[in-house]
Amino acid sequence: GAGVSQTPSNKVTEKGKYVELRCDPISGHTALYWYRQSLGQGPEFLIYFQGTGAADDSGLPNDRFFAVRPEGSVSTLKIQRTERGDSAVYLCASSIPGTGINEQFFGPGTRLTVL
Amino acid sequence: GEDVEQSLFLSVREGDSSVINCTYTDSSSTYLYWYKQEPGAGLQLLTYIFSNMDMKQDQRLTVLLNKKDKHLSLRIADTQTGDSAIYFCAEVSHFGNEKLTFGTGTRLTIIP
Repeated sequence: GAGVSQTPSNKVTEKGKYVELRCDPISGHTALYWYRQSLGQGPEFLIYFQGTGAADDSGLPNDRFFAVRPEGSVSTLKIQRTERGDSAVYLCASSIPGTGINEQFFGPGTRLTVL
Repeated sequence: GEDVEQSLFLSVREGDSSVINCTYTDSSSTYLYWYKQEPGAGLQLLTYIFSNMDMKQDQRLTVLLNKKDKHLSLRIADTQTGDSAIYFCAEVSHFGNEKLTFGTGTRLTIIP
């Protein structure tokens, strides 16, 4: 079956612009996660959705970052007034929580470059 | 907060065993995971161990957990060129907290 997909795969933008990154989770997965991976680092948690609501947004670095999941499936990560430090690979994952190990299935990521 | 650390690089001859180490600080960790990341591919869960276990074996993979020292290791037997990748350990701190905390990753290079 289809895995987690993310679009676009690459995004280049200028400092100060607004960007939207999209994640399509595996069908039936109620939990959705966003992580950010900077060069040479491990992924860092941003936000976790259970259904339509954000269950934990403690990883969002500041109020320029916002994410939605209006119908409990597709999610969009929105970044306002982008800064060069926002350049990273943004990873999305989905899972069925409550299944013991709660394996998170990751998408290929969106590489964001802010010039 | 939680902190997970790994050495950055490991080089191993093809056919030898690879041992990748990880230390973590959160004593309430419930599950600990090993993920593999290959160029152009997403993170793939390799194996995991529950915090009340001290060893788990899965084909060529052996996970050892020393809970007292908060040390986790991944041993890959008979390392092959296809094992070249970055390996991340990760932990979930307690039930109901679903977020993964990852280490910095260890880049495994296979020497022919």
